[in-house]
Amino acid sequence: GDSVTQMEGPVTLSEEAFLTINCTYTATGYPSLFWYVQYPGEGLQLLLKATKADDKGSNKGFEATYRKETTSFHLEKGSVQVSDSAVYFCALVLNDYKLSFGAGTTVTVRA
Amino acid sequence: TAGITQAPTSQILAAGRSMTLRCTQDMRHNAMYWYRQDLGLGLRLIHYSNTAGTTGKGEVPDGYSVSRANTDDFPLTLASAVPSQTSVYFCASSDAAGISTDTQYFGPGTRLTVL
Repeated sequence: GDSVTQMEGPVTLSEEAFLTINCTYTATGYPSLFWYVQYPGEGLQLLLKATKADDKGSNKGFEATYRKETTSFHLEKGSVQVSDSAVYFCALVLNDYKLSFGAGTTVTVRA
Repeated sequence: TAGITQAPTSQILAAGRSMTLRCTQDMRHNAMYWYRQDLGLGLRLIHYSNTAGTTGKGEVPDGYSVSRANTDDFPLTLASAVPSQTSVYFCASSDAAGISTDTQYFGPGTRLTVL
């Protein structure tokens, strides 16, 4: 079935470091791809999304490009802050509204 | 705007007891969803509703039931709780069911412990 595999954590970084979280997907068609973020004690919220190949989603300094050739949607940020500490989830939607989530990657940024 | 509210925030429940988790949205979204979040497994869909009056099973529906009597409310019921239902439960909604690019909006979650 359709699924998402993302990099296992936890990931610990210093402020201003470069962050990459890898995400690859398996799907029978052409899904829409999402990154959701969960800050401590909160629900999930959409960080960015891309709906077709070569689209780039961006928000709050984060970027991810939909790569059909490698079936990937890696999340990147050039200079992280302490406030970026959170759990990040990669997800896909194919022909319906049902999101399939990765296991989540916990990111901790230290001052 | 409140968005999505869930109640209770947390609950400890004895095995065998029943419980209803409440979810209300004020965005007039058509679709609503219930997920459970477990460490290392991400979020898994329990049940969903495309529109008021209809419901469907997700990935892990066993032991849970839902109803959708109106647009705003989507309660999740555990008829006879078991310890494996210990989890954090999230309710979500989206504007137009069936559109794959649509964003889902999540509530703050309910932490349930079944002893």
